[in-house]
Amino acid sequence: GAVVSQHPSRVICKSGTSVKIECRSLDFQATTMFWYRQFPKKSLMLMATSNEGSKATYEQGVEKDKFLINHASLTLSTLTVTSAHPEDSSFYICSAKVAWAFGEQYFGPGTRLTVT
Amino acid sequence: KNQVEQSPQSLIILEGKNCTLQCNYTVSPFSNLRWYKQDTGRGPVSLTIMTFSENTKSNGRYTATLDADTKQSSLHITASQLSDSASYICVVSAMDSNYQLIWGAGTKLIIKP
Repeated sequence: GAVVSQHPSRVICKSGTSVKIECRSLDFQATTMFWYRQFPKKSLMLMATSNEGSKATYEQGVEKDKFLINHASLTLSTLTVTSAHPEDSSFYICSAKVAWAFGEQYFGPGTRLTVT
Repeated sequence: KNQVEQSPQSLIILEGKNCTLQCNYTVSPFSNLRWYKQDTGRGPVSLTIMTFSENTKSNGRYTATLDADTKQSSLHITASQLSDSASYICVVSAMDSNYQLIWGAGTKLIIKP
């Protein structure tokens, strides 16, 4: 099956710094990638939809200037959490949609962000 | 409003027993329904995906059913193993431009030896 990787798997940063998370589709091209956030014991919450070569579409309530998304190629999307605060601590998961399928998404293993 | 509701919220069963998880949805227009398994601290892994014309689909010890008329789905796990302990999430895809996924809250399943 299609494989999606995320890097780093865990990151701890100080309040006020920025953190970049990478999402890669390893063996397929993904025209669309999604970024999710998950709080403990809660389900995934879609943050934004990223289409290659265009601006990301953010869900209501998600600050686009705080969560910068770049989808520069068909295999890479990045999420940058700018000026991180402790409340940004969460589990961030990306997924990639196979271009030729009717919507199948493959999920990365997630990135645990802790802001101190 | 598009919604997916799952029950029970959590479930504890003994190893070797069977269990059934439920999912009700109100998503329109409907594209497909998926069941995912998510281990703690990991990303979701797809178990099954069904379109409206499919009534049942199996993946090893996992069998999903779909009743598109009543908008209900179930996930049956047979002969449970300790490794089945995880959250099981029902997700319905809407037939919009990005096939938006509507997520259920999940059922936390714990298998005890």
